Amino acid sequence: QVQLQESGPGLVKPSGTLSLTCAVSGGSVSSIYWWTWVRQSPGKGLEWIGEIHHSGSTNYNSSLKSRVTMSVDKSRNHFSLIVTSVTAADTAVYYCARGWQWLMSDWGPGTLVTVSS
Amino acid sequence: DIQMTQSPSTLSASVGDRVTITCRASQNISSWLAWYQQKPGKAPNLLIYKASGLESGVPSRFSGSGSGTEFTLTISSLQPDDSATYYCQQYYNSPAFGQGTKVEIK
Repeated sequence: QVQLQESGPGLVKPSGTLSLTCAVSGGSVSSIYWWTWVRQSPGKGLEWIGEIHHSGSTNYNSSLKSRVTMSVDKSRNHFSLIVTSVTAADTAVYYCARGWQWLMSDWGPGTLVTVSS
Repeated sequence: DIQMTQSPSTLSASVGDRVTITCRASQNISSWLAWYQQKPGKAPNLLIYKASGLESGVPSRFSGSGSGTEFTLTISSLQPDDSATYYCQQYYNSPAFGQGTKVEIK
């Protein structure tokens, strides 16, 4: 049974950069799956941020594409999310998930990121 | 972008009741629709895929139906453990979720 765990700073300053990592255990990031980020804020509900495959292929939400970068580290069996130029609107619980054909079947517990000075 | 609209936003029902939640897509998404259950402080959990496919381990009282632009999630006999928020998600293209339906037990 694959397990995912998000980690990263819980507080980011406005205009700064949000950086999160998702550690994968019980499975390999080099498998057929797509590794996904979803966030949830009170005002906007669940929002798909994007996904990455171990080949390096990515798909991003068009509304965030200019500020988002995802990467995979096969040696550490984890994948990462970077969001630049953050504002209060980026305050949310961020989830990583394992996906297949845009279905998210396994999720991490989530991590709260607050954007505030 | 495809917009997903759920109704109702909240519903209250008794144990044993049949409960139905509706999800509408702003354009035809064929059967590319999933349903998730989320309990407070927890990540969403996949219940239904491709409109009516039951995910492994999900109780058979949950069922999904629909195609095109209108879909339903039905709980045939509501149980106390079903108190949660339910989300639909289209995956015809760039995934998008509905705003959620909170199910409360009377």
